[in-house]
Amino acid sequence: KAGVTQTPRYLIKTRGQQVTLSCSPISGHRSVSWYQQTPGQGLQFLFEYFSETQRNKGNFPGRFSGRQFSNSRSEMNVSTLELGDSALYLCASSSTAGGSTDTQYFGPGTRLTVL
Amino acid sequence: AQSVSQHNHHVILSEAASLELGCNYSYGGTVNLFWYVQYPGQHLQLLLKYFSGDPLVKGIKGFEAEFIKSKFSFNLRKPSVQWSDTAEYFCAVTLYNNNDMRFGAGTRLTVKP
Repeated sequence: KAGVTQTPRYLIKTRGQQVTLSCSPISGHRSVSWYQQTPGQGLQFLFEYFSETQRNKGNFPGRFSGRQFSNSRSEMNVSTLELGDSALYLCASSSTAGGSTDTQYFGPGTRLTVL
Repeated sequence: AQSVSQHNHHVILSEAASLELGCNYSYGGTVNLFWYVQYPGQHLQLLLKYFSGDPLVKGIKGFEAEFIKSKFSFNLRKPSVQWSDTAEYFCAVTLYNNNDMRFGAGTRLTVKP
């Protein structure tokens, strides 16, 4: 099975712009979660989508949003970019919406640099 | 506050030395516990996981971890490290029936050849 794929791998944007990142989960996986990784804050949960519905949300401002399509692919959008949004954005997929035997598998990430 | 704590920020070992990385969590209730590894330039990979049952779990590449419920700990061990184990290691927790994964700050392991 192919792993989790994320596009693009690298992005450079300027403050005030918006950006959309894409994630394709492992085939058959219905849950997609997004994380932000920075040197200062580490890995932080952004949100999770399952069956096209946002199931959980982390403590991030409303500028961060996402969606999931019927084929389980997910996108996240960040509007009005700030310098502090520079980070590695990771996507993880799992087969269910969390449970006693669920495991999240991570993609390679999208490196976003905001200038 | 609910959190995951990794005691060591950076660990430096020589090859063949034994490794133990500490992880404590402060969540109540039923939790699922994970160790992930991030090799330089690579994505996060699952080393091992604990959901229930035997508190001593074995993972890939000779790693194991022990869940001690009374201590809220899930320490990672390896009896003899190799240069190729140089990486960053993350302890993570999810609450039962939830994919909201909370990570520790990570421990950078450097193994000298």
